[in-house]
Amino acid sequence: DTGVSQDPRHKITKRGQNVTFRCDPISEHNRLYWYRQTLGQGPEFLTYFQNEAQLEKSRLLSDRFSAERPKGSFSTLEIQRTEQGDSAMYLCASSFGQVGTEAFFGQGTRLTVV
Amino acid sequence: AQTVTQSQPEMSVQEAETVTLSCTYDTSESDYYLFWYKQPPSRQMILVIRQEAYKQQNATENRFSVNFQKAAKSFSLKISDSQLGDAAMYFCAYRSGGSQGNLIFGKGTKLSVKP
Repeated sequence: DTGVSQDPRHKITKRGQNVTFRCDPISEHNRLYWYRQTLGQGPEFLTYFQNEAQLEKSRLLSDRFSAERPKGSFSTLEIQRTEQGDSAMYLCASSFGQVGTEAFFGQGTRLTVV
Repeated sequence: AQTVTQSQPEMSVQEAETVTLSCTYDTSESDYYLFWYKQPPSRQMILVIRQEAYKQQNATENRFSVNFQKAAKSFSLKISDSQLGDAAMYFCAYRSGGSQGNLIFGKGTKLSVKP
C-alpha cells in the first residue's frame, strides 16, 4: 500500500478553464475527504464521501466545484471556469472505520490560476 | 460552529531542547477528538498524536505529548528532545464525534529547529 495518491501534483491553468484532480485513497478506506489549503492557512474542509455517497459539502464548495467517487474507490474533484481565487493546494484524505480514526493525507495538488 | 486557534505563527527551538505549541478550541459538544498533524515542506500531512475528549489521561507518543485541559479548551503539544526532522508546520485539529469526521484545523505553527 503506497498511501493516498493525488494527481497531478501541480497544475497551472488559465482563468476560465476547467480542471480535474484525482485522488486514490488507501485501499479499503471507506471515508474520503477533500480539503483546500491556501498560503498561511490550515486546510479547510470541502466535501466528504462515505463509499460512493457524497454525504457532506461545505459552503466553500461553490456551484463551480463538483466531486465524484464512483464505485467508492478513487475520487475526482472538478473546478469549472476557474478563478484566481481558486489557486490553492487541494488535499485529499482517507480513513477507515470510526469517526475518530486517523485520516491519512495525500501530498496534494497545487493549483495556480493565471 | 467549532473553531481552532493557534496563537503562535512561528516557534523556534534548539536541537535537543523542549518546545510547547499552543492550541485552543471552542465547542459546545462533549464528544470530540483532537489531533496534532505535522506538515513537512512539500510533503504530506501526517498524524503526530490524537486525544479523545472523554479520556482524562493525556496522550503520549514517544517524544510527543499533549496537555489536554478540557475545561479550559486547551490542547498543547510538547515536543521533547527536539530533532532537526521535527521542523515543519504543525496543525491542531478538531473533529466532532457526531459528525461525518471532517477535521477543523487551526492556522498552524511553523516550527524551526536550530542545530
